Amino acid sequence: GDSVTQMEGPVTLSEEAFLTINCTYTATGYPSLFWYVQYPGEGLQLLLKATKADDKGSNKGFEATYRKETTSFHLEKGSVQVSDSAVYFCALVYNTNAGKSTFGDGTTLTVKP
Amino acid sequence: DAGVTQSPTHLIKTRGQHVTLRCSPISGHKSVSWYQQVLGQGPQFIFQYYEKEERGRGNFPDRFSARQFPNYSSELNVNALLLGDSALYLCASSLAGTPQETQYFGPGTRLLVL
Repeated sequence: GDSVTQMEGPVTLSEEAFLTINCTYTATGYPSLFWYVQYPGEGLQLLLKATKADDKGSNKGFEATYRKETTSFHLEKGSVQVSDSAVYFCALVYNTNAGKSTFGDGTTLTVKP
Repeated sequence: DAGVTQSPTHLIKTRGQHVTLRCSPISGHKSVSWYQQVLGQGPQFIFQYYEKEERGRGNFPDRFSARQFPNYSSELNVNALLLGDSALYLCASSLAGTPQETQYFGPGTRLLVL
């Protein structure tokens, strides 16, 4: 079945450091891929998405590229801020499964000043 | 516009009881999905409804059921509660529930089963 594997956390970085959170997936088709973020005390919200191979999603300085050959969708940011501290979830949705999203277990990021 | 709303925010039940969780989607959204998020894990898909019809179901026992009303709001029902049902229950809405769409999540209902 479909699955998402995320880099284990927690991840602690200093402000302005480079961030990479790895995400790989197992799929038999061509899913859409998403990164969601959950800030402390808030609900899940979409950070970025890519719906086909080689697409790059970007938002708020974060980027991720849909790599079919390596079945990956790694999240990157060139310079993190304290306000980026949150839990990040990678997710996929199969084209034949409508709203059924499969999530990874999340990676907790803490950015220190 | 209001986002996805869920009620109640917190709930404490005992084993064997029944619970009903409620969700109101964003205005204009016709699809509602339910997820269970156990502490330290990602959300697990339970159900999706679109235009009052069940479109998808995850690997959850028959104790879990849901429905969608004509105004597109939804209820999730769980019977014969077990300790393992303690979790954050999330509702998400989207316009038509297609795979490429953005899902908008509510703040969740935190259920504790004692």
